[in-house]
Amino acid sequence: AQTVTQSQPEMSVQEAETVTLSCTYDTSESNYYLFWYKQPPSRQMILVIRQEAYKQQNATENRFSVNFQKAAKSFSLKISDSQLGDTAMYFCAFEVQGAQKLVFGQGTRLTINP
Amino acid sequence: KAGVTQTPRYLIKTRGQQVTLSCSPISGHRSVSWYQQTPGQGLQFLFEYFSETQRNKGNFPGRFSGRQFSNSRSEMNVSTLELGDSALYLCASSFHTVNTGELFFGEGSRLTVL
Repeated sequence: AQTVTQSQPEMSVQEAETVTLSCTYDTSESNYYLFWYKQPPSRQMILVIRQEAYKQQNATENRFSVNFQKAAKSFSLKISDSQLGDTAMYFCAFEVQGAQKLVFGQGTRLTINP
Repeated sequence: KAGVTQTPRYLIKTRGQQVTLSCSPISGHRSVSWYQQTPGQGLQFLFEYFSETQRNKGNFPGRFSGRQFSNSRSEMNVSTLELGDSALYLCASSFHTVNTGELFFGEGSRLTVL
């Protein structure tokens, strides 16, 4: 069975700082996808960034980037120049290719302070 | 383009009753997934439908069921409600046919069981 672990239940940083959220996963599969989703307070969950396991290059989306270490089964999210709107729960998620289901971590509550 | 719409947004039921939740996906999306979100268990996969066929099912008792209609709208039903069924039920739709790709989530239906 696949599992996803987010070891930081809560984090808090000042606006404009850089913050890194950790995620590790466990699987015996070789073809899979990794995601970071953001759930703002009382709003829909939205995709932040997506990484295919077969790609060595780390995904980047504007201020968001990942550090994907396949051998270590680690998938951290870096948020640069953090903004107040980044305040949210962040979920790391995993999908085996073709499974049509996501396995989520427990989430990290991130607060950006002014 | 309208987002994923879930109804009702809030509902209160008593133990032993049943409930039906509805989800209208984004136009053109044929895959609909359901997730249960609770503080204790986090986000857990319920089931996924594509073109009226259930392709995957999570580890939930048979009291939890779902279906998808020809217009891609989906419903999930929970019978004989238990206190532990209190949760936020999230529906998500996806354009992708093989892998989950990007999921677009609705705002959820918050179910309280008394």
